[in-house]
Amino acid sequence: NAGVTQTPKFRVLKTGQSMTLLCAQDMNHEYMYWYRQDPGMGLRLIHYSVGEGTTAKGEVPDGYNVSRLKKQNFLLGLESAAPSQTSVYFCASLPDRAQYDQPQHFGDGTRLSIL
Amino acid sequence: GQQVMQIPQYQHVQEGEDFTTYCNSSTTLSNIQWYKQRPGGHPVFLIQLVKSGEVKKQKRLTFQFGEAKKNSSLHITATQTTDVGTYFCAGETGTASKLTFGTGTRLQVTL
Repeated sequence: NAGVTQTPKFRVLKTGQSMTLLCAQDMNHEYMYWYRQDPGMGLRLIHYSVGEGTTAKGEVPDGYNVSRLKKQNFLLGLESAAPSQTSVYFCASLPDRAQYDQPQHFGDGTRLSIL
Repeated sequence: GQQVMQIPQYQHVQEGEDFTTYCNSSTTLSNIQWYKQRPGGHPVFLIQLVKSGEVKKQKRLTFQFGEAKKNSSLHITATQTTDVGTYFCAGETGTASKLTFGTGTRLQVTL
């Protein structure tokens, strides 16, 4: 049981390049989330999904797009990377609200540097 | 938008001393969660508090949720070097179990 797996773990991009970060969970969780964490700060929610085929904006969605075509995968896309998007990106998943008291399960993170 | 502040930002203690971090939300929370993050790692869930005035203990860690469900604290008794890391509170409001993370308190423990 792998839990939440993020790929890649590290990436360096040039300004203007595009890329997709993949989050995969094998726990059949309904809810999935993408966060970014800048140095010395807490996590900020970028986008989230409450089920296959649904996505919604979080606190800091600008410059990012997401898709949830399959329940187990949540993709985060940067269409035109900017240095301000240099950060560590974390994905998390959660069972549906019926399973109360369950915490979000986090992946190990993707360290993204944009030059 | 909702804001969650934590104080202090950083604390350096000697092993055996106590440590407390405080968390304050600008809005009433459905629940509050506490996480610990080691350098280079991901947040690791510690506990969730749901009820007004709730107090929970985990060995040397004591967690409190305020009566108004807008503030919380984490107290560590007799710190150990293994307690080193950054402690985050995260408040849940609204739908979809969205979390707003606090700014974190970095704890350094020396012998």
